[in-house]
Amino acid sequence: TQLLEQSPQFLSIQEGENLTVYCNSSSVFSSLQWYRQEPGEGPVLLVTVVTGGEVKKLKRLTFQFGDARKDSSLHITAAQPGDTGLYLCAGARNTGKSTFGDGTTLTVKP
Amino acid sequence: NAGVMQNPRHLVRRRGQEARLRCSPVKGHSHVYWYRQLPEEGLKFMVYLQKENIIDESGMPKERFSAEFPKEGPSILRIQQVVRGDSAAYFCASSPLSGGLGTDTQYFGPGTRLTVL
Repeated sequence: TQLLEQSPQFLSIQEGENLTVYCNSSSVFSSLQWYRQEPGEGPVLLVTVVTGGEVKKLKRLTFQFGDARKDSSLHITAAQPGDTGLYLCAGARNTGKSTFGDGTTLTVKP
Repeated sequence: NAGVMQNPRHLVRRRGQEARLRCSPVKGHSHVYWYRQLPEEGLKFMVYLQKENIIDESGMPKERFSAEFPKEGPSILRIQQVVRGDSAAYFCASSPLSGGLGTDTQYFGPGTRLTVL
């Protein structure tokens, strides 16, 4: 069983602070996706990382894929209340099946 | 997002009834995945289908649950004789290519929230 562990599970910060969410596994993945999910909605894709060591930036969000393609991190700079949501990482393998972490619930207080 | 449609959005059933959840993938996508999510938890894989084929059903309960993706029409997740423990959000995702490349991103629908009374 391939497990993806996300940490922290819950995070509550003030507007303007920085934060990092981690996604770790003992398994190697072909690619890894980060999603953001709001209450009552489906996950929305933020980014896909494929290459070990890859770093992608999306405005205030920075995503990194570990060199060994087993772990990833999401860093948010100057968080805003609109960033509030459930952040999910998912590791994909060649079988087509993706394994999801249990998510990090982020609350950004104004 | 990306056009995956699910219906109904909310479904209420009494214990023992059947629940049918529908998913129309993004146009052109031939791969469909079903996931289940409990409150404040991540998504648990249930089944992966291509047109007319079940590729991986390792996450499906052995009894009462079935899925299909016919040549024409939406994918259907069917739960027979529902129990209260089936209450959850069920999400469908689709992707355009086979899993062989390992980089195919899945695009999610808005989900169906099933409540079993």
